[in-house]
Amino acid sequence: NAGVTQTPKFRVLKTGQSMTLLCAQDMNHEYMYWYRQDPGMGLRLIHYSVGEGTTAKGEVPDGYNVSRLKKQNFLLGLESAAPSQTSVYFCASSYDSYTEAFFGQGTRLTVV
Amino acid sequence: TQLLEQSPQFLSIQEGENLTVYCNSSSVFSSLQWYRQEPGEGPVLLVTVVTGGEVKKLKRLTFQFGDARKDSSLHITAAQPGDTGLYLCAGSALYAGNKLTFGGGTRVLVKP
Repeated sequence: NAGVTQTPKFRVLKTGQSMTLLCAQDMNHEYMYWYRQDPGMGLRLIHYSVGEGTTAKGEVPDGYNVSRLKKQNFLLGLESAAPSQTSVYFCASSYDSYTEAFFGQGTRLTVV
Repeated sequence: TQLLEQSPQFLSIQEGENLTVYCNSSSVFSSLQWYRQEPGEGPVLLVTVVTGGEVKKLKRLTFQFGDARKDSSLHITAAQPGDTGLYLCAGSALYAGNKLTFGGGTRVLVKP
């Protein structure tokens, strides 16, 4: 049982480049989330989805876009990367917002 | 501004001492969760509390949900070096879009 898988695990981007982070879950969860975590801080919600085909903004959505075309996948896109987007990105999934959220291993992104 | 405020931000204690971490909000939450995160890993759920006044025990860890469901605490008795990590509270509420949002975290260091 793989749980939540994020790819890639590490990435270095130049300012202005674009990229997509992929999150896949095999638990048939409805809810999926993208968070960013900066050094010494908690998790800040970027975007989330409560089901296939739906997305919603979180606390810090600017500069990011998401898509949930299939229930098991949640994609996070950076159209034009900025140094302020250097962070560790975590994807999570859960049955609903009240039950346990399962997290991926994280993607460490550096924008230079 | 985070909906959930955790205090303290950092706690350093000796093995065998007790500690308490607080999670406060001005808003009512349907449920609160506590997670622990170790370096290089995603957060892992410790407990979920859903009823005002609820107390849950997990070995040396005691979790309490405030009567008004606006705050929670985590108490560790006789802390051990293995308790070292980042402790995060997270909550969801229908009025806030049913999304799971996290506090800023408390970093705990237990010295042997």
